[in-house]
Amino acid sequence: AQSVTQLDSQVPVFEEAPVELRCNYSSSVSVYLFWYVQYPNQGLQLLLKYLSGSTLVKGINGFEAEFNKSQTSFHLRKPSVHISDTAEYFCAVTPTSYDKVIFGPGTSLSVIP
Amino acid sequence: DAGVIQSPRHEVTEMGQEVTLRCKPISGHNSLFWYRQTMMRGLELLIYFNNNVPIDDSGMPEDRFSAKMPNASFSTLKIQPSEPRDSAVYFCARTYIQPGTGSNTEAFFGQGTRLTVV
Repeated sequence: AQSVTQLDSQVPVFEEAPVELRCNYSSSVSVYLFWYVQYPNQGLQLLLKYLSGSTLVKGINGFEAEFNKSQTSFHLRKPSVHISDTAEYFCAVTPTSYDKVIFGPGTSLSVIP
Repeated sequence: DAGVIQSPRHEVTEMGQEVTLRCKPISGHNSLFWYRQTMMRGLELLIYFNNNVPIDDSGMPEDRFSAKMPNASFSTLKIQPSEPRDSAVYFCARTYIQPGTGSNTEAFFGQGTRLTVV
């Protein structure tokens, strides 16, 4: 079975400061990794994904994430956040041989002016 | 619009009433998922279909919940009878399963239906 942990339920950060949202996963099989963002009253939309290849993945809105297999982590980073980045962020995994998407509990990012 | 249309966007109903939530994914994407989101439990997978066939319904909380996918472009989630604890946002999502791998590479979500049972 797979599971996803997001240790920080809430992350406040000042505008233009860097941010890192942490994600760790547990799986006995290979997985694909994703970060989704949910703005208020909206559905989830894909920020970025890791399928294979380079462990540093760049996504939309200036976000990037790095896959670390030995630490089973996929942390999300942005060097300078904007007010518009205030949202809920979900880390997710999908086993490469299966189609079920498992989501973490989410991290609420609040950008302070 | 990620190609998934959910209706209604908001639903308020009285306890005991039947509620039907609808989802219209773009055809050509062969898996469909129903999720429930609450503050307490986060995102929960209720059921998913592949090629219109229910594959895993282990997340459906009770017999009061049922889901159907009569064709590739339409799915329903029904709650009968509804209870206040069913109040949540229900999301429908579609994915495309890569031939040969059996795995999807991205999920596209609708905007959700906010259900309130009073």
